[in-house]
Amino acid sequence: AQSVSQHNHHVILSEAASLELGCNYSYGGTVNLFWYVQYPGQHLQLLLKYFSGDPLVKGIKGFEAEFIKSKFSFNLRKPSVQWSDTAEYFCAVITTGGGNKLTFGTGTQLKVEL
Amino acid sequence: GAGVSQSPSNKVTEKGKDVELRCDPISGHTALYWYRQSLGQGLEFLIYFQGNSAPDKSGLPSDRFSAERTGGSVSTLTIQRTQQEDSAVYLCASSTRTGGATGELFFGEGSRLTVL
Repeated sequence: AQSVSQHNHHVILSEAASLELGCNYSYGGTVNLFWYVQYPGQHLQLLLKYFSGDPLVKGIKGFEAEFIKSKFSFNLRKPSVQWSDTAEYFCAVITTGGGNKLTFGTGTQLKVEL
Repeated sequence: GAGVSQSPSNKVTEKGKDVELRCDPISGHTALYWYRQSLGQGLEFLIYFQGNSAPDKSGLPSDRFSAERTGGSVSTLTIQRTQQEDSAVYLCASSTRTGGATGELFFGEGSRLTVL
């Protein structure tokens, strides 16, 4: 079965710092990859997704992620974070053998300080 | 409604009691999912409904957990004889069939269950 690993559980950054959150998955077949975000007190929402094509995908609010197939990775990046980016970030994967269910990582809690 | 609606938003119960959690998906969404979010555990898949097909129950942790979806719309997750380890936030999500296949799930705000 597929699994998703997020190595950073808690990240604290100052505003304007650059962000990179790691995500690795274990599955040898075709994957669709996602990042979801949960802002404080709000529901989970889709940040960006990768299905095929250009491995560098751009999402909302200046976020981007790069799919590196050889490394089984889909790291999330943002060049300059804002206080409003404080949230929990979840990486997720759907595989060709996984039906229609998303498998999520354990999440990364990001706190951006002023 | 405009989004996925879950109730109750908070539920405190005593160990051994049964609880029911309700999910009202976005109108027209044929796929419905239940996930459980525990501290430090990420989101754990529980069950998936798609139209009239048999549900995928592969994530239900024990036979104390069951779920129904009536009329292809509202879903109820039932936990019998609750245990303290059942304490978590239970999230419901819905999608169009296409959305489900591509992972575009729309989540509710969750039901926080605390078992004393």
